[in-house]
Amino acid sequence: DADVTQTPRNRITKTGKRIMLECSQTKGHDRMYWYRQDPGLGLRLIYYSFDVKDINKGEISDGYSVSRQAQAKFSLSLESAIPNQTALYFCATSDPRSREGLGELFFGEGSRLTVL
Amino acid sequence: AQSVTQLDSHVSVSEGTPVLLRCNYSSSYSPSLFWYVQHPNKGLQLLLKYTSAATLVKGINGFEAEFKKSETSFHLTKPSAHMSDAAEYFCVVPHGLYSSASKIIFGSGTRLSIRP
Repeated sequence: DADVTQTPRNRITKTGKRIMLECSQTKGHDRMYWYRQDPGLGLRLIYYSFDVKDINKGEISDGYSVSRQAQAKFSLSLESAIPNQTALYFCATSDPRSREGLGELFFGEGSRLTVL
Repeated sequence: AQSVTQLDSHVSVSEGTPVLLRCNYSSSYSPSLFWYVQHPNKGLQLLLKYTSAATLVKGINGFEAEFKKSETSFHLTKPSAHMSDAAEYFCVVPHGLYSSASKIIFGSGTRLSIRP
């Protein structure tokens, strides 16, 4: 089984619908992240969480919200989806207890979202 | 503040020839640096990392990278390309290592194509 699991892997929805992408991890890491990937733009950070009580906005948080239900679970919601939120979304975790660990991310396989 | 620039959005090489993917960074101190690889329809996987030990770093699948402080570069190389190397490659630098605002900065990616 994968250490970082994302559901759903693919989703097609319509403008205005509410969408939730879920992420669960078995690595025991405190830090979790949601990234968005668009062609030519690399990965951009949407939200990140350092523990259950600590949630922070990333560079492109507008239109998104998150919930850290437990150490192992971090969900991303689009309250009212719009077509320019069509993208590939990645959840990731990291272990900050070492200098090396700060940069090493463990990724899920991605959730492809299409908003019509 | 840290930043990272990948100088080529697309590199195409013939199978069996050397690979060079270029990355330059900007940092006010000696950073950690990472290369990740993303195969089609997959999440990102750590390829190698530099954390101020040896300046020449060896990674998986025959890749290596050399940290050159004088040139602020961390180029990724491989002596002989294989068809399975076709993927997207990301250069990454953590930002604010010891602060609560630490985050991870991605380059825009380089797509590597391998010609038979």
